[in-house]
Amino acid sequence: QLVLTQSPSASASLGASVKLTCTLSSGHSSYAIAWHQQQPEKGPRYLMKLNSDGSHSKGDGIPDRFSGSSSGAERYLTISSLQSEDEADYYCQTWGTGIRGVFGGGTKLTVL
Amino acid sequence: EVQLVESGGGLVQPGRSLRLSCAASGFTFDDYAMHWVRQAPGKGLEWVSGISWNSGSIGYADSVKGRFTISRDNAKNSLYLQMNSLRAEDTALYYCAKDMGPYGGDAFDIWGQGTMVTVSS
Repeated sequence: QLVLTQSPSASASLGASVKLTCTLSSGHSSYAIAWHQQQPEKGPRYLMKLNSDGSHSKGDGIPDRFSGSSSGAERYLTISSLQSEDEADYYCQTWGTGIRGVFGGGTKLTVL
Repeated sequence: EVQLVESGGGLVQPGRSLRLSCAASGFTFDDYAMHWVRQAPGKGLEWVSGISWNSGSIGYADSVKGRFTISRDNAKNSLYLQMNSLRAEDTALYYCAKDMGPYGGDAFDIWGQGTMVTVSS
């Protein structure tokens, strides 16, 4: 079964960097994912699509501070030079065969 | 400007029906698959349903299968979700989302702002 696992919370200081993790279930380590940001009281915003080889394509207007990388079944979102507006929920998303969407449980990022 | 605008949400009694709409603009609607995603209060994102560019492929989450029906009208650049036999657990903010591909197997790159559905007596 295709499942994405995320830590419920993370925190980092203003100006620092943070690395969020999304783990694909066993047997699905070659899958691409997408990262989405949801700021408080707003709809989700697409950040990037991240492939198993670490290559990624970002959405329009996404700052260079956001980057992605991969290792095995893990997909990472790194945010550098953290700003207050980066405090948000971050979701990973993938897709199976046919019309299907799968979301991770989300990580709530707190900027200290 | 690329935009998705949902409408049709509201307060409805358990067992009743509701139809959501999503109006798309700023991109070639009939080139892409589309999806509905919901978010219960205080919870994460849950994929609900998706439809390919030509309505040839459709999928539903197990939680809504047999009760919800997705459709699209490419001439009107619109996506719909007919929700029947609504339950309290269907209470959520419903988002419309654009797929990056025509058949549904890709990332969601455009999101609407959502329309709230509350199921309560």
